[in-house]
Amino acid sequence: QVQLVESGGGVVQPGRSLRLSCATSGFDFSSYDMHWVRQVPGTGLEWVALISYDGTFKNYVDSVRGRFTISRDNSKDTLYLQMNSLRAEDTAVFYCARGRDGYSDSWGQGTLVSVSS
Amino acid sequence: DIQMTQSPSSLSASAGDRVTITCRASQDISNYLAWYQQKPGKVPKVLIYAASTLQSGVPSRFSGSGSGTDFTLTISSLQPEDVATYYCQKYSSAPPYTFGQGTKLEIK
Repeated sequence: QVQLVESGGGVVQPGRSLRLSCATSGFDFSSYDMHWVRQVPGTGLEWVALISYDGTFKNYVDSVRGRFTISRDNSKDTLYLQMNSLRAEDTAVFYCARGRDGYSDSWGQGTLVSVSS
Repeated sequence: DIQMTQSPSSLSASAGDRVTITCRASQDISNYLAWYQQKPGKVPKVLIYAASTLQSGVPSRFSGSGSGTDFTLTISSLQPEDVATYYCQKYSSAPPYTFGQGTKLEIK
């Protein structure tokens, strides 16, 4: 079955970097767009970034544009999110999600990123 | 950017009640609207896409309607397992694929 497993979260100081990974299985990864979505615990969902199935198109929410980079390795069925210049307000659970025409039909369990000094 | 506004932000209803949640887009998004359910401590799950198409495996008591700027999610007969927060998301044209702020549904 479809599986998405995020990793790479943790506690990091403001201004530092972190790279999240999302290992996938159970579907043809190279045929699907992929998303990152985040959620501050106890609050709502925020769409963060999109990458097209072939990696040629990327887009970001304004609050992370220029600091975060989404990428993928279709040979490894893995999605990434490189997060630089982290801020306290980036603290959240980050989910990777499979895209279907823009919405997300499968989600990982999430990885918690905590930005604190 | 297009803003998505849900109402109410929370609601309490009795088992068996018909429940309606509304989502309004700040611009026309045609039918590019999805609804998600997030149960406490769980991962979001898509219920409806293209405004009214039920995702495979989702109970038929869930339905969606609307197009343009106004959309509704209806639960025809509320069940205890429907306690969750519900989110709408627009995915029309270009990103950002904005979510509504969520509607927390509780059982009386």
